[in-house]
Amino acid sequence: SQTIHQWPATLVQPVGSPLSLECTVEGTSNPNLYWYRQAAGRGLQLLFYSVGIGQISSEVPQNLSASRPQDRQFILSSKKLLLSDSGFYLCAWNSGQALTTTFFGQGTRLTVV
Amino acid sequence: QKEVEQDPGPLSVPEGAIVSLNCTYSNSAFQYFMWYRQYSRKGPELLMYTYSSGNKEDGRFTAQVDKSSKYISLFIRDSQPSDSATYLCAMSDRDKIIFGKGTRLHILP
Repeated sequence: SQTIHQWPATLVQPVGSPLSLECTVEGTSNPNLYWYRQAAGRGLQLLFYSVGIGQISSEVPQNLSASRPQDRQFILSSKKLLLSDSGFYLCAWNSGQALTTTFFGQGTRLTVV
Repeated sequence: QKEVEQDPGPLSVPEGAIVSLNCTYSNSAFQYFMWYRQYSRKGPELLMYTYSSGNKEDGRFTAQVDKSSKYISLFIRDSQPSDSATYLCAMSDRDKIIFGKGTRLHILP
């Protein structure tokens, strides 16, 4: 069966520090991968999505970047965190052929102090 | 106008009541419509999905889509305290899935 791993679960980082969040999927190949951010009262905001290795689409211009170095690995990064980057970050995947069956990781709660 | 609009609530109803959750959307390209449930500090889990106008039923849950009005609904019958969560509607065209803000639902015992 397919599983999605996202880590760490919680993270407290100072302003100006770098960020790297990692997400991996097991049990499938060539998945569509997504990064979402969920801020209080703002719902799930799509940040990046990828339909293949090295293919990244950015939805919102911001202080973050994403990379997909391997088929089932999706990384969210920042060179210098801002206070406004605080939030709940969720990685998700689907098979690409069944958009409706999208599965989420357990999320990373990032607090920038 | 945002692509997907959803009232954030909170919505409080007594146990056993019928709950109605709704979303509106503006993008005619959306083909798939979904409802997710999210408990506090957890990732969302898929409840139901549909790709056509009409009703789809699964146990106590019914999803309704009206493409002509760009309006979707989720009904929960015989609501239970364990249904207390945030419910997010979601819609997709081909590659992207766009979510509503989510409605916080409280079922009062």
